[in-house]
Amino acid sequence: NAGVTQTPKFQVLKTGQSMTLQCAQDMNHNSMYWYRQDPGMGLRLIYYSASEGTTDKGEVPNGYNVSRLNKREFSLRLESAAPSQTSVYFCASSEVQGGSPLHFGNGTRLTVT
Amino acid sequence: KNEVEQSPQNLTAQEGEFITINCSYSVGISALHWLQQHPGGGIVSLFMLSSGKKKHGRLIATINIQEKHSSLHITASHPRDSAVYICAVRRHNYGQNFVFGPGTRLSVLP
Repeated sequence: NAGVTQTPKFQVLKTGQSMTLQCAQDMNHNSMYWYRQDPGMGLRLIYYSASEGTTDKGEVPNGYNVSRLNKREFSLRLESAAPSQTSVYFCASSEVQGGSPLHFGNGTRLTVT
Repeated sequence: KNEVEQSPQNLTAQEGEFITINCSYSVGISALHWLQQHPGGGIVSLFMLSSGKKKHGRLIATINIQEKHSSLHITASHPRDSAVYICAVRRHNYGQNFVFGPGTRLSVLP
């Protein structure tokens, strides 16, 4: 049982480049989330999807876009990377909106130079 | 002031010691979660609480809704417990957003 699979694990981008972070879960969860984790700060919500076909902004959405491709997959896109987007990104899923445990992917360490 | 605070920030213990990590929050919540982040970076959900106390193996989590406080206890600590422990709350009527504490870094020495 893979749980939440997130790719890539590491990425280095130059300022202005674009990339997509992929996330897939095999637990039939409705809700999926993208977080970023920065040193000294708690996890912060970028975007979430309460169910297939819906997405909403979180706390720090600027510079990001998302796609809920189907119930399993939720991708995060950086259209024009900036050094401020250097961070560790986590995808997560839960069965219902906030009322059940979060399951996390292993994270993507992104560096933008 | 952060909505979710944890103490201590860092904690070093000897193997076998009883450990307590505290979480205080300032907002109304519907649930509180304790998470463990391993040195390799992966995050695992340990507990979800809305009242009372839960126990899983050597880990015990308690919550006092009136005092807006939760504690995570580790009995008979072991070096494999070394990790960052994160408290997260789901706010009342606030949709999807969890608010995460900054984490407590625990090192258990053999």
